[in-house]
Amino acid sequence: ETGVTQSPTHLIKTRGQQVTLRCSSQSGHNTVSWYQQALGQGPQFIFQYYREEENGRGNFPPRFSGLQFPNYSSELNVNALELDDSALYLCASSLRTDSYEQYFGPGTRLTVT
Amino acid sequence: AQTVTQSQPEMSVQEAETVTLSCTYDTSENNYYLFWYKQPPSRQMILVIRQEAYKQQNATENRFSVNFQKAAKSFSLKISDSQLGDTAMYFCALTQGGSEKLVFGKGTKLTVNP
Repeated sequence: ETGVTQSPTHLIKTRGQQVTLRCSSQSGHNTVSWYQQALGQGPQFIFQYYREEENGRGNFPPRFSGLQFPNYSSELNVNALELDDSALYLCASSLRTDSYEQYFGPGTRLTVT
Repeated sequence: AQTVTQSQPEMSVQEAETVTLSCTYDTSENNYYLFWYKQPPSRQMILVIRQEAYKQQNATENRFSVNFQKAAKSFSLKISDSQLGDTAMYFCALTQGGSEKLVFGKGTKLTVNP
């Protein structure tokens, strides 16, 4: 069974640029959630995708957008990067059962300068 | 709105001893789930233990157990026989039934000393 993977591991971007982060869900999982974890904080929910449709969104502006593909992998896109976007971005996959357990990837560390 | 509060930013414990991490939460829902996640310095978040709100029995996973006090909205984690590998950030999290959005606390940094 393959776990959740994310790429790239680290990324450095300049303010105003755009970035795409990628996530491959655990085998058999059809739901992907994205979280932003600022330094010293708990993760904050960005949005969730279920069977290629957005299924809930946290308090993040529209410049944060996403996609889920037929193989259930996912992308997080952030436009017009700001310094405060510097964070660890975590992807989590799950199978929609009544257990609600989410399995996290190792994250992508984004630094905006 | 759901909130999760962890009031202990940092804790330390000696190897082989027992430590308890505190968590309180607020939700208006009756159907919800509570979790403890561990995030080692390598940063991959790992599920430690899960508790369904409708179950009165406290969850246990090997050396990890919880004290779930539903009326008090309290959900503490007890680690017995602490090991060096338990050193990590521990996050308490909540999700309500029908939503897989996790709401996290700010975390407790646990250090196990030899």
